[in-house]
Amino acid sequence: GIQVEQSPPDLILQEGANSTLRCNFSDSVNNLQWFHQNPWGQLINLFYIPSGTKQNGRLSATTVATERYSLLYISSSQTTDSGVYFCAVETGFQKLVFGTGTRLLVSP
Amino acid sequence: KAGVTQTPRYLIKTRGQQVTLSCSPISGHRSVSWYQQTPGQGLQFLFEYFSETQRNKGNFPGRFSGRQFSNSRSEMNVSTLELGDSALYLCASSLGSGGDEQYFGPGTRLTVT
Repeated sequence: GIQVEQSPPDLILQEGANSTLRCNFSDSVNNLQWFHQNPWGQLINLFYIPSGTKQNGRLSATTVATERYSLLYISSSQTTDSGVYFCAVETGFQKLVFGTGTRLLVSP
Repeated sequence: KAGVTQTPRYLIKTRGQQVTLSCSPISGHRSVSWYQQTPGQGLQFLFEYFSETQRNKGNFPGRFSGRQFSNSRSEMNVSTLELGDSALYLCASSLGSGGDEQYFGPGTRLTVT
């Protein structure tokens, strides 16, 4: 089956710093989403981005489907950005395969 | 528009018992998918329902089953609970046409003792 790898696994930042999270996938996909999992476990949608670039405030994402990777950029990080970031790719009808996540800690 | 709701939010069961979890999708969404999250295995796909039919299934034993009702609400059932079934169970809602964005509920945290 498809493999989804995220890097780095852990990231510690000072408030105000920028960061780039990477997601590599091993096969072509129908869809790619980025999520932020809050401390209570809920997955918050960040981007639906099968290809191209999108921006939402301090966050932006780029997916290069032909090269099978996606990047999530976080600028001017805040403590509320802490948590786990997942990318997930869709391989069949509504079946998402998740990466192992990047655990981000932003300290004040 | 209301988001995806899941009930109950927390549950404690004993080995050997069975449990039923419920998920109500976003209004207008016809697809409901279920996922299990554990520290060891991460987030894994259980199954997906669309128009009351199971359309896709992950690699879980037959103790895990589900169904979907005509109003698109879905339930999943786990029979003969094992300690390893302790997990966060998440459901996702989408239009169901394939390749569309999925939205997750808050999850049900199941503890098996």
